[in-house]
Amino acid sequence: EIVLTQSPGTLSLSPGESATLSCRASQSVSGSYLAWYQQKPGQAPRLLIYGASSRATGIPDRFSGGGSGTDFTLTISRLEPEDFAVYYCQQYGSSPRTFGQGTKVEIK
Amino acid sequence: EVQVVESGGDLIKPGGSLRLSCAVSGLTFSDAWMSWVRQAPGKGLEWVGRVKDRRSGATDYAEFVKGRFTISRDESKNTVHLQMDSLKTEDTGVYYCTHESSVCGGECFDFWGQGTLVTVSS
Repeated sequence: EIVLTQSPGTLSLSPGESATLSCRASQSVSGSYLAWYQQKPGQAPRLLIYGASSRATGIPDRFSGGGSGTDFTLTISRLEPEDFAVYYCQQYGSSPRTFGQGTKVEIK
Repeated sequence: EVQVVESGGDLIKPGGSLRLSCAVSGLTFSDAWMSWVRQAPGKGLEWVGRVKDRRSGATDYAEFVKGRFTISRDESKNTVHLQMDSLKTEDTGVYYCTHESSVCGGECFDFWGQGTLVTVSS
């Protein structure tokens, strides 16, 4: 199965700053079939990005995804207070679908 | 508005059984592919298994639950069930019912329930 490794584990930033989160796969993710989710404490995850770079319905354009093959990124420009959360990547190019371990974006 | 509502979580002893339910509304249930994703306390997300649409009804599972968990669907109640047998302490966590999104070819998750807590402990 494909193992996804996210870095850094924690990112400490201030509102208004930009965040760049990394997701590295143990083997190439076919078709750039990679998604990103946001999870806040006590809540279910929310789909942000699919197909590596397409925003899901209702997601603000300050969220952007990129990458291909084994290296993917999620960028959050101009962090808003509601963006401080844990972010997970997920690959769906190979079975079984797998998730990364998460990156926490916390307020500095 | 799509709603996904899980129920059935409980405290259960190792080796026991539990059935979770997931009621879905706001979409065409017969066309929906539904998955279960779990999250151990303080940990990340882990896909458990899924059931495809009514026409197919096919299921597939993560290796760590094969032979122990069974997913089924009840079209009359727009409900998906997760039957969990031979439970282990490592099965403890919040279990989310999720809808598989057509934008990802049915392989990512766009609608999630609030989750139901399963605790396996003696």
